[in-house]
Amino acid sequence: ETGVTQTPRHLVMGMTNKKSLKCEQHLGHNAMYWYKQSAKKPLELMFVYSLEERVENNSVPSRFSPECPNSSHLFLHLHTLQPEDSALYLCASSQDRAGVSYNSPLHFGNGTRLTVT
Amino acid sequence: DQQVKQNSPSLSVQEGRISILNCDYTNSMFDYFLWYKKYPAEGPTFLISISSIKDKNEDGRFTVFLNKSAKHLSLHIVPSQPGDSAVYFCAASPRGDDKIIFGKGTRLHILP
Repeated sequence: ETGVTQTPRHLVMGMTNKKSLKCEQHLGHNAMYWYKQSAKKPLELMFVYSLEERVENNSVPSRFSPECPNSSHLFLHLHTLQPEDSALYLCASSQDRAGVSYNSPLHFGNGTRLTVT
Repeated sequence: DQQVKQNSPSLSVQEGRISILNCDYTNSMFDYFLWYKKYPAEGPTFLISISSIKDKNEDGRFTVFLNKSAKHLSLHIVPSQPGDSAVYFCAASPRGDDKIIFGKGTRLHILP
């Protein structure tokens, strides 16, 4: 399998649930990202990992907890979410950190559509 | 306040004609600009980019123009094909910053 794979594709969870989103990249990239896309809003950067080290936390509430066990895998752990957290969550990877290198565009997965009830 | 603006939510163009998608930005520190394309139920895919030292970059049917004085860039697709129907996102980044700022997107419909 190639590219960036996200599971699950769809997730419905209650506000008291704990769930995790999974992302796997098969591109040999060194940087991974979580983005959030809410309805009628631009894509928002949440977290950046470079060589498994978190280098960016874009003022995201603590109910979202990322984990990067190795350079190929990225998780987003969800706990006590709110209905306004319902959105499309996109994982991306790039060869190097996207802002450092012009030749390092983001490769996105197909996203997890999250609904919080 | 949006730093990257795509003021047209949608655009319809006849097949074979030129599609022009526009994007305006407000941050003069942006020095790298990108266009992404997104089909339904898929993630965005990188299309073309341009750095601020250039005013034009071409890749096949796709050309991006950058007007720094006007803080405006545009994506030209010629000739437009049915497979070009998608949402197009404009994005920008300051040098060395991971915060790539995206616009809200423009939905392009190619009409037969």
